[in-house]
Amino acid sequence: QLHLQESGPGLVKPSETLSLTCSVSGGSISSSSYYWGWIRQSPGKGLEWIGNIYYSGSTYYNPSLKSRVTISVDTSKNQFSLKLSSVTAADTAVYFCARLPSDDSFDYWGQGTLVTVSS
Amino acid sequence: DIQMTQSPSTLSASVGDRVTITCRASQSISSWLAWYQQKPGKAPKVLIQKASRLESGVPSRFSGSASGTEFTLTISSLQPDDSAIYYCQQYNSFPYTFGRGTKLEIK
Repeated sequence: QLHLQESGPGLVKPSETLSLTCSVSGGSISSSSYYWGWIRQSPGKGLEWIGNIYYSGSTYYNPSLKSRVTISVDTSKNQFSLKLSSVTAADTAVYFCARLPSDDSFDYWGQGTLVTVSS
Repeated sequence: DIQMTQSPSTLSASVGDRVTITCRASQSISSWLAWYQQKPGKAPKVLIQKASRLESGVPSRFSGSASGTEFTLTISSLQPDDSAIYYCQQYNSFPYTFGRGTKLEIK
């Protein structure tokens, strides 16, 4: 059974960089059949897609966040990561990682991790 | 961006009722639509892919349909465990976008 687990600091200061890692178990992140994505959820903005990455490193970002987002993959560790720079209180949200089959939408999700931006 | 408009925003129904939730896309998304169920403190769980394909393990009382840019999630006979928030999401084009959700309460 595939399992995804987000990890990273739960508190980030304004203007700093939010960094999260998604560890994948029960399946290979290098499978050619899947992309891997980040989604966040806040009371104000609901569910918001952040971006996707393929095991080769190809990325697709939400234009609203593109200037601040970097998603990377480490196939040796079966992990992918999210970096969001210059954060503000508006970036406070629950961040989810998820698997994305080639011709479908997100089918497996991590449990989510709350990141609060505050000094 | 493609806007996804869900209705109603809240819905109260009784066990055994037939329930319908609607999602309208601001432009054509073909059948590239998913429906999710989210319970408090949990991640969204996919119910339907490609507008009408039931995901493995999802009870058959859930179904999805499409007509142009209007999509429908139907629960044929509401069960107590169906209390949740339901979201639609388009994956026709980037950026992927979600509806604002329908909160389904059991009377």
